[in-house]
Amino acid sequence: NAGVTQTPKFRVLKTGQSMTLLCAQDMNHEYMYWYRQDPGMGLRLIHYSVGEGTTAKGEVPDGYNVSRLKKQNFLLGLESAAPSQTSVYFCASSRGSGPYEQYFGPGTRLTVT
Amino acid sequence: AQSVAQPEDQVNVAEGNPLTVKCTYSVSGNPYLFWYVQYPNRGLQFLLKYITGDNLVKGSYGFEAEFNKSQTSFHLKKPSALVSDSALYFCAVRDPGDGGFKTIFGAGTRLFVKA
Repeated sequence: NAGVTQTPKFRVLKTGQSMTLLCAQDMNHEYMYWYRQDPGMGLRLIHYSVGEGTTAKGEVPDGYNVSRLKKQNFLLGLESAAPSQTSVYFCASSRGSGPYEQYFGPGTRLTVT
Repeated sequence: AQSVAQPEDQVNVAEGNPLTVKCTYSVSGNPYLFWYVQYPNRGLQFLLKYITGDNLVKGSYGFEAEFNKSQTSFHLKKPSALVSDSALYFCAVRDPGDGGFKTIFGAGTRLFVKA
């Protein structure tokens, strides 16, 4: 049982390049989330999904797109990277909304130059 | 609007002493409250949560938290700190009134436990 895994762990992009971050969970969770973590700001929600085939915007969705084609996978895309997207990205999953805790992946450290 | 405040950027405590990491929140209604811990270069790990009932909640690694509705606080505590408790701690809140999909995290408090 690997929990939540993320690929890649590190990435350096040049401004304007694109990339996709992959998140996978093996806990059969319905809900999945993408967050970014910046110093002194906690975690901010980018996009989330409440089930296969569904996605919704979070607090800071601009510049990102997501897809949830399979229940176990949640992809985060950057179509044209900007230096402001330099951050650590975390994927999480949970059994449901409300009182259910989230399980986090190890993170992806992205630098955009 | 929902918000979570962790008023201390850093807390320093000696090993063996009790520790408290503070959290206050602003949510309409009765929130779900969580504490998570983050060790260096790792994702967040769930410690404990308050849903309803007893105001004192016990969690992993000997941590507990006290819910105080009148003060809108949810402080994390441990009777005797360990060096291995040194990490970044996040308080988080969910508002059941808006579907409970979104979690609002505090900015985090770094705990240093000195041997």
